[in-house]
Amino acid sequence: GENVEQHPSTLSVQEGDSAVIKCTYSDSASNYFPWYKQELGKRPQLIIDIRSNVGEKKDQRIAVTLNKTAKHFSLHITETQPEDSAVYFCAGGGNNRLAFGKGNQVVVIP
Amino acid sequence: EADIYQTPRYLVIGTGKKITLECSQTMGHDKMYWYQQDPGMELHLIHYSYGVNSTEKGDLSSESTVSRIRTEHFPLTLESARPSHTSQYLCASSGLGAASSYEQYFGPGTRLTVT
Repeated sequence: GENVEQHPSTLSVQEGDSAVIKCTYSDSASNYFPWYKQELGKRPQLIIDIRSNVGEKKDQRIAVTLNKTAKHFSLHITETQPEDSAVYFCAGGGNNRLAFGKGNQVVVIP
Repeated sequence: EADIYQTPRYLVIGTGKKITLECSQTMGHDKMYWYQQDPGMELHLIHYSYGVNSTEKGDLSSESTVSRIRTEHFPLTLESARPSHTSQYLCASSGLGAASSYEQYFGPGTRLTVT
């Protein structure tokens, strides 16, 4: 089955700077890669996703890039704000099931 | 409003008790999932279902069982709760009826403590 690895575990950034989280996956058949944000005590919520037929996708301050050859994908957050502080999970898989990474704690320092 | 609901939200129960965690969704989704998550930690898939009368075990070995008799309902049962079952249980759904059939929507979770 799919195995998704996520690095680094904790990321501290100054407000206004950029944050990048990287994930790798193992199964070349995976074709869907979402990113979830989970604030303390709340449910995970999808913030952006990408299909395997696309190399990059952007939504305002958030972007995701996918390198199928190297089997890795990254989340980019620009102009970070305090409300971006949360745990971010990457995942990989397809229509039926997903494998999640272990999560990254992002702390935005005002 | 279309959403995914879990009850109870919090449960404290003694060792050996039988419990059922409820999950219902009004989103018209065909696929449903149960994850176990310690706070802020990795999500572990324990059960999933592709539709009515379909259930599969996930990656994490679990002593729980599930059933899918109705499309919108996916309860999880622990026959004999143990302290090692203490965790948060998240239900999710995806599939037909969603803008993207791949996206999984999560419920608010049930925080279970077994004493």
